Amino acid sequence: DAMVIQNPRYQVTQFGKPVTLSCSQTLNHNVMYWYQQKSSQAPKLLFHYYDKDFNNEADTPDNFQSRRPNTSFCFLDIRSPGLGDAAMYLCATSRGGTSVQEIQYFGPGTRLLVL
Amino acid sequence: DQQVKQNSPSLSVQEGRISILNCDYTNSMFDYFLWYKKYPAEGPTFLISISSIKDKNEDGRFTVFLNKSAKHLSLHIVPSQPGDSAVYFCAASGDNYGQNFVFGPGTRLSVLP
Repeated sequence: DAMVIQNPRYQVTQFGKPVTLSCSQTLNHNVMYWYQQKSSQAPKLLFHYYDKDFNNEADTPDNFQSRRPNTSFCFLDIRSPGLGDAAMYLCATSRGGTSVQEIQYFGPGTRLLVL
Repeated sequence: DQQVKQNSPSLSVQEGRISILNCDYTNSMFDYFLWYKKYPAEGPTFLISISSIKDKNEDGRFTVFLNKSAKHLSLHIVPSQPGDSAVYFCAASGDNYGQNFVFGPGTRLSVLP
């Protein structure tokens, strides 16, 4: 049973054309994350939500935005994709809390191609 | 500047032998470490973790060792099985809630029958 779902699995967009990637979860976790992973590189955290609190990484470009309308869904918006934004985008969740060390649960990823 | 390094992009091991995957980190504030396994077309899945208060954690065929003074951890898989063939990511966290993870670039393990 899929717990973290990402749609679509593959996304093709044109240079400069806004694109939205979506993620949903059935785990009822408090925290949702977006990572960018380029070929043979480490997944790089872009931002995360703890409930409705948005936490942006310092080096995440302004071109990347995120929305979390409810516990289950989180969206990644790329306002003006450039060729360098072609990558795998991974969504993850974790329970969130102060008394337990976190484990992240990942979706299968969306591979973005920018033409 | 890579804070978590996995210097071996790939590793091949014979079935039944030990696989040892290495990870080095530079940030002395990291106090919680995880290993994830990733198969093609799937997201990473959690494998095993270790807190800095321990130097070893074991779960079945998987053991993680932590050497804080050397800022080094390793994942041992014994015995290795063909189904273990995957990319293994090391991740580290230094904040109390464990929400800011830094990942290494991964090591591709191939277990040969």
